[in-house]
Amino acid sequence: DTGVSQDPRHKITKRGQNVTFRCDPISEHNRLYWYRQTLGQGPEFLTYFQNEAQLEKSRLLSDRFSAERPKGSFSTLEIQRTEQGDSAMYLCASSLGGSLNTEAFFGQGTRLTVV
Amino acid sequence: GENVGLHLPTLSVQEGDNSIINCAYSNSASDYFIWYKQESGKGPQFIIDIRSNMDKRQGQRVTVLLNKTVKHLSLQIAATQPGDSAVYFCAENGSSNTGKLIFGQGTTLQVKP
Repeated sequence: DTGVSQDPRHKITKRGQNVTFRCDPISEHNRLYWYRQTLGQGPEFLTYFQNEAQLEKSRLLSDRFSAERPKGSFSTLEIQRTEQGDSAMYLCASSLGGSLNTEAFFGQGTRLTVV
Repeated sequence: GENVGLHLPTLSVQEGDNSIINCAYSNSASDYFIWYKQESGKGPQFIIDIRSNMDKRQGQRVTVLLNKTVKHLSLQIAATQPGDSAVYFCAENGSSNTGKLIFGQGTTLQVKP
């Protein structure tokens, strides 16, 4: 399977714990995005990487959230001191960036439940 | 079957009929639009895209229409099948060329056998 891969698919954690999610994009894609989706809503942009550089962060991304893409390939999203409001589906997407926007392909997401 | 307006969340159609899903986008600077299909528990799946220099684009059983004058996008699905049942989202790029997407609220398509 050469699509976007996310791990784990599901995570249940206690409030206050830290969690980390991983995303492996399509191999030749230089752009990587994280989105968050709550039930009944469309995905909301969190952050964007071009290669290893984090170029944009949403206001939704509080200081408890941090994302990295150290070698310009896979990315991790860490949430510290989780809160119940962090419960959501966290989606990763990748695309081949250039002068024109191109289609972004999504992974299957990580479903986070904070109890 | 067809939905109208932004806030009709569910469209129910008979198998074999054509479906039309509508979307009003917000940013007149948007020049790239995508339709995604999302099945329960899965990530969004790319269906078709269109750039603002076009007003129509066709794929396999799907057609996207873009009306920039009224900031309206539609997805037409021909001969709707039970496997088409899902939530459909339109997305726009806003004024960004980074590929960041702004998603609409989504329409649930239910296909009755």
